[in-house]
Amino acid sequence: GENVEQHPSTLSVQEGDSAVIKCTYSDSASNYFPWYKQELGKRPQLIIDIRSNVGEKKDQRIAVTLNKTAKHFSLHITETQPEDSAVYFCAARHSGGYQKVTFGTGTKLQVIP
Amino acid sequence: GAVVSQHPSRVICKSGTSVKIECRSLDFQATTMFWYRQFPKKSLMLMATSNEGSKATYEQGVEKDKFLINHASLTLSTLTVTSAHPEDSSFYICSASLAAGELFFGEGSRLTVL
Repeated sequence: GENVEQHPSTLSVQEGDSAVIKCTYSDSASNYFPWYKQELGKRPQLIIDIRSNVGEKKDQRIAVTLNKTAKHFSLHITETQPEDSAVYFCAARHSGGYQKVTFGTGTKLQVIP
Repeated sequence: GAVVSQHPSRVICKSGTSVKIECRSLDFQATTMFWYRQFPKKSLMLMATSNEGSKATYEQGVEKDKFLINHASLTLSTLTVTSAHPEDSSFYICSASLAAGELFFGEGSRLTVL
């Protein structure tokens, strides 16, 4: 089955700096890669996603890059703000069957004011 | 975006009792829903894939008789934790997706078994 690894597990940055979270996946049949932000006790919220036919996608301060060959994808947050503090999960969705989504282990991001 | 509603948000029960959690897609039909379990400060672990009108597909290591899943309609899936024990205490969260692929999550249910 799919295996998604995520690094780092914790990340502290100063407000205004950039944050980068990296993930790798194992199954080349995965074709959809969402990123979720989860605040304590809340449901995960989709913040950005990318499909396998695209190499990069940007939405204001958030961007995601995908390297299909290397099976890597990364989340970039620029000009970080305290409200960006949360746990971020990457995920990979399989293209076949029931299209299961496998999540990475999560990154706790702390933005220090 | 699509809305997925999950109830109850919190439940406390005694050891040995059963608890049912409902997951509803409010504004779309979901032929497939997913049930996840999340331990504190951990990732979401897929428990099973719930398929409307057929048996759920369980992930390896998840007890089918312990976690009963029923997907009776295109908008409702239920997870029943049978004969609950303290080790079943966790955050359970369901999700459903549209054809485009985006996954929408319910609010989650925090189960505490005394």
